[in-house]
Parts: sequence; structure tokens; C-alpha cells
Amino acid sequence: GQQLNQSPQSMFIQEGEDVSMNCTSSSIFNTWLWYKQDPGEGPVLLIALYKAGELTSNGRLTAQFGITRKDSFLNISASIPSDVGIYFCAGQLVGGSQGNLIFGKGTKLSVKP
Amino acid sequence: EADIYQTPRYLVIGTGKKITLECSQTMGHDKMYWYQQDPGMELHLIHYSYGVNSTEKGDLSSESTVSRIRTEHFPLTLESARPSHTSQYLCASSVGGFYSGNTIYFGEGSWLTVV
Repeated sequence: GQQLNQSPQSMFIQEGEDVSMNCTSSSIFNTWLWYKQDPGEGPVLLIALYKAGELTSNGRLTAQFGITRKDSFLNISASIPSDVGIYFCAGQLVGGSQGNLIFGKGTKLSVKP
Repeated sequence: EADIYQTPRYLVIGTGKKITLECSQTMGHDKMYWYQQDPGMELHLIHYSYGVNSTEKGDLSSESTVSRIRTEHFPLTLESARPSHTSQYLCASSVGGFYSGNTIYFGEGSWLTVV
């Protein structure tokens, strides 16, 4: 089936550092979504992107819908300990089926105080 | 903010028991989903529904079954639980078009442990 390549798989950073993660695919997407999941909880929607080139911020988070529609990135500025968790991207594939949302495998973020 | 509720949050049951995980949403979303996720791992779609009386199997084969008799309710049932069913089950619903703008919201999850 179609896949999203999410990288990096994990990150260990110092508090205050900026973070960048991305999702890429060989397929074209109409929608990109970014989620954060804390241990034992469900994923929470952070940012939704609906148009190629769209750049959207949510506090210290910024995400962009790639111009080619095959990728998206999420940046976190000035990380803090509560940013710890797993970040997932999800894309709505053009002409897709099966609920038509594909998830990346996640980026596990660890922040050292 | 998503209004999607799952019960129970945590459940420990014996092998062979029948269980139903409840999921309700108050947003009037047509589409609902069940995902299975082991700790720290990726999400696997096991069931989805595009509306009342519509249910489909997802990417990951599952012995569970679902029903969609009301828009707001999408329960998942395991007729005979086994230790291999131990996992977190996440219910979700979405708003948006079939071709674009589909935005999915998750519940808090149900942790199932089968002993």
C-alpha cells in the first residue's frame, strides 16, 4: 500500500533547541495533518494543512504543505519539556480509499531539561 | 476541540471473554474509525465507517467486529478475547470531503489487557 516516510524516527534534544521533522511520499496528497500523542493518550491534532504551499502556525509550532504536494514538515521552536511525545503526520491521498488517511510511523521527541 | 469519548479507558479481562469498547462522538461526523496501536508504535486502521449501516475492514486484519446503527455511536466488539488482542484501541471521527479536507479527531483510547 501507499506509505508515508516520516523522519527522523526519534530525536533527543536540549531544552530551548528548535526541532524539525518531515514526511515524504512518492504520492500526491490533498491534506496534511500533524498530531502529537502523549503516553497513554490519543493523538491530538496540532495543525491541519489543506493547500499546497500553505504555511500554518500554532504557537511555537509551524507546519508547511509542500509545493509538490508530496511532503510536509513540522517545526517546533524553543522546545520545552512538555513537547515530549510522539508526533505523527497523516495525509489524505488523492484518489485514496480505506478511509483515505495514511499515517507516518511517528517521530519520538525527547527533551533534556 | 474534539468531542469523542471512549469507554472503558482501561480494561483487564480473561481469555475467552466477550468485550465491547464503546465510542461516541457528538460532532455529527459521518466518518468514524477504529485504530489499533501498540505502545510507541504506529497506528493501524482496523475498521471504518462512512455512515449509518456502513462498515469496512481496514488495513490490519482484526478479529473484532463493529456496528454503526447511529451516527454518533461506533462500538467495537471482540467475541472471544485472547492475549494477542492486548493493545490500545483508538476511536476517531472525521469531517471533510472524500477527496480533500478530511480531518480526523481521536478519542483518548481504550487500553485492553487480556490475561
